[in-house]
Parts: sequence; C-alpha cells; structure tokens
Amino acid sequence: DAKTTQPNSMESNEEEPVHLPCNHSTISGTDYIHWYRQLPSQGPEYVIHGLTSNVNNRMASLAIAEDRKSSTLILHRATLRDAAVYYCILRGAGGTSYGKLTFGQGTILTVHP
Amino acid sequence: EAQVTQNPRYLITVTGKKLTVTCSQNMNHEYMSWYRQDPGLGLRQIYYSMNVEVTDKGDVPEGYKVSRKEKRNFPLILESPSPNQTSLYFCASSLQGANYEQFFGPGTRLTVL
Repeated sequence: DAKTTQPNSMESNEEEPVHLPCNHSTISGTDYIHWYRQLPSQGPEYVIHGLTSNVNNRMASLAIAEDRKSSTLILHRATLRDAAVYYCILRGAGGTSYGKLTFGQGTILTVHP
Repeated sequence: EAQVTQNPRYLITVTGKKLTVTCSQNMNHEYMSWYRQDPGLGLRQIYYSMNVEVTDKGDVPEGYKVSRKEKRNFPLILESPSPNQTSLYFCASSLQGANYEQFFGPGTRLTVL
C-alpha cells in the first residue's frame, strides 16, 4: 500500500491561512488523495479529495504537486473550530484497491485565538 | 438524514465474553469498513467489505470477525475479547470506488476487563 507522511503537529493563529503538507512519494497513477479531519471526541469527517488537479470546496482547498508526490491542504482562514487531527490518505482506483486504507497518525492542528 | 449508526456507543465487558458491535448505514453504500483507534497509533483498518458477501482483511484483523449479509449492515464480532482490544471503534461507509468520500459513524468505546 502506498503510504503518506505528515508532520506530527502544526500551529496557527485564528483567521490566518494554514497549509498542511502531505508526502506520498510512492503514489501510483490511479491513487486519489483524500483528506479527513477528526475533531475532539468525534468520528473522522471528510474534507476534500483529488486526483491530479487542484480542488476547492466550501471547507478547504487541495493543492497537488505536478508529480503528485506531495499535496497540501489549505484552510484559508483558520477558526478555533478547525483545531483537529488532519489525515491524508491514498485511495487506489485500480480494481479493488480502493478498499484497503492506511490512515497514519495525522497532523494535530492547534489554532490559537 | 444520511448517516452511519453504531451500537452500542459504550461497552464495558469481561475477557472472553462474545460481543457484537453493530453498524448500519442508510445511504445504500456498497463499501463499509471498520477501524480501531488507539492513542499514538491513529486509525487502523480492521476489515472492510466491498459489497454484500464480500469481505477482506485490513491491517489489524486478528481477533475480529465480520459479516455482510445485507447491504446496510456490517457487524463487528469479537468472539473472545481480550484487554488488548480495548479501543475506540469506528465504522465507515462509501459508494464503491476511490473517488468517493467515506462517512464515519460516531464511534464505539469498548473496554475489556
């Protein structure tokens, strides 16, 4: 399985942008890059995903490197409610490879008022 | 409301007493998965199911069983629980394929004495 590497923790100030990096140097051509976050005492929730092009939704933006070996989740204006653990995972599109998923430990984001 | 439900939410049991944690989704999703979460280890996949009657092992399947007799339900069975299975368990579901987000349940906190 292709694995991802994320920093253990990051800090930000409220209302500032946050860039959360993820390295996935062994990504295959059909792997989608997914981001989830887990707020304290809750189950993980979906944030965004992409394949090759940058993606935007109401929660965040996803910037994918041209060689796809890394990606960055961008929170444009961090709020206190964005304090969570952020997970970057790969989900393979080839055959049944989308089934097995490895989450890793994620990045703990702390947002200061 | 589209959701994944888990029961029970909290359970304290003793070593060796068989138990089942239920998971149900109302989104007609083909894919379902079980994870456990332990401090310092992040989310680890136990089993997953691509569709009815199709299940496969994740990274930590030892000591667990699953079944997928109906599309909406994916119970997790611990035939003989041990203290090292004390953990927080999450069920998730998604449409079939890598281009879809997973929806997570609220979690089941299991303590095995």
